[in-house]
Amino acid sequence: DSGVTQTPKHLITATGQRVTLRCSPRSGDLSVYWYQQSLDQGLQFLIQYYNGEERAKGNILERFSAQQFPDLHSELNLSSLELGDSALYFCASSVEGTRVETQYFGPGTRLLVL
Amino acid sequence: SQQGEEDPQALSIQEGENATMNCSYKTSINNLQWYRQNSGRGLVHLILIRSNEREKHSGRLRVTLDTSKKSSSLLITASRAADTASYFCATAETSGSRLTFGEGTQLTVNP
Repeated sequence: DSGVTQTPKHLITATGQRVTLRCSPRSGDLSVYWYQQSLDQGLQFLIQYYNGEERAKGNILERFSAQQFPDLHSELNLSSLELGDSALYFCASSVEGTRVETQYFGPGTRLLVL
Repeated sequence: SQQGEEDPQALSIQEGENATMNCSYKTSINNLQWYRQNSGRGLVHLILIRSNEREKHSGRLRVTLDTSKKSSSLLITASRAADTASYFCATAETSGSRLTFGEGTQLTVNP
């Protein structure tokens, strides 16, 4: 158990819908990362937050957005869902997110868009 | 797109044998990390090696890093059936802390 929690574990929805994925980092970690794992794209970095502020952005679609709240939990919002958004979404956390650090991953949310 | 490539894509061995997986990457890195993923589940951190380190050990794991060749290898000694999983290398570039993952090696250890 990494100490990172993600909810829900599974999500089934329809195209065009909007969903919210939630992540709670390890106690004491200030930085949260979101990654997407799909069969065709592999594991890809989406976005990073540090202490409530966006720090880095990767291959995140404009239909996707995220935020980190004062209690440091983070939410990833996916809207206007398409079939290709079906994937495993991981959240990871680290202490500071600014240098060489281990990132600890949550169990993931499996999203299926029908 | 993926930063690096892992070799082999799949590896099948018998319990007790050693397993070696290789990872190549393209840019300058701050560190390289290896993760394990059991089928469709979360990523478990195995080991981190910094760019100024050449070799690191953790239990049955041995990782090497050759920055001149931009490559790393993960050796699992005396493998067990429970080692069956996908193994990913991930690099953190010098400019930031995001991880860029390889495509992974699927290891199967037969009892």
